[in-house]
Amino acid sequence: DIVMTQSPLSLPVTPGEPASISCRSSQSLLDRNGYHYLDWYLQKPGQSPQVLIYLGSYRASGVPDRFSGSGSGTDFTLKISRVEAEDVGIYYCMQALQTPITFGPGTKVDIK
Amino acid sequence: EEQLVESGGGVVRPGGSLRLSCAASGFNFDGYGMTWVRQVAGKGLEWVSGINSHGGNTEYADSVKGRFSISRDNAKNSLFLQMNSLRDEDTALYYCVRAGGSTVTTPRFYDMDVWGKGTTVTVTS
Repeated sequence: DIVMTQSPLSLPVTPGEPASISCRSSQSLLDRNGYHYLDWYLQKPGQSPQVLIYLGSYRASGVPDRFSGSGSGTDFTLKISRVEAEDVGIYYCMQALQTPITFGPGTKVDIK
Repeated sequence: EEQLVESGGGVVRPGGSLRLSCAASGFNFDGYGMTWVRQVAGKGLEWVSGINSHGGNTEYADSVKGRFSISRDNAKNSLFLQMNSLRDEDTALYYCVRAGGSTVTTPRFYDMDVWGKGTTVTVTS
């Protein structure tokens, strides 16, 4: 199974400031078709998760452009250009290259 | 509005069975792969099972393989999870999730873009 790790696991943020979360996989998530099968999800308090980024860098429909995804191979990053109060929650990376699909442990983002 | 509504959760004894259902609406259900993801209270997300758009291909997490069975009825826009030989560690909130990237031509379960609110399964003696 592909093991996903994230850092940091806790991230206090200041509104208006940038923030960054790292995700690493135990093997490359690059498929022969050239896509990286890495998604990012946010679970806001009391809500179901929602997709932010798919295939490493494609912003999902309706996701604000302050969110961006980058990376390749085994190392990926989610960046928030300017954090807003509504961005608090737990962020998960997920690999979909092969089953079983696996999630990272989550990064809890809250306001300082 | 694209929507998924789960049902069928409840309290069951170890070794018992439950059948979860998920009713889809607002989109072409037979055009997408579907998955079940679960979450223990206060813990992270765990993928449980997935099925392609036609139902001909199913996948399972090792933790449920041989005990759970995923299926779908495209005519009724419904997804199911038959859970047998339930264990304490199966206690969780179970989400029905559309894999937006899993189309008729693309089998992978990525871009999970529509989530239900979940149904709670509690396994306890």
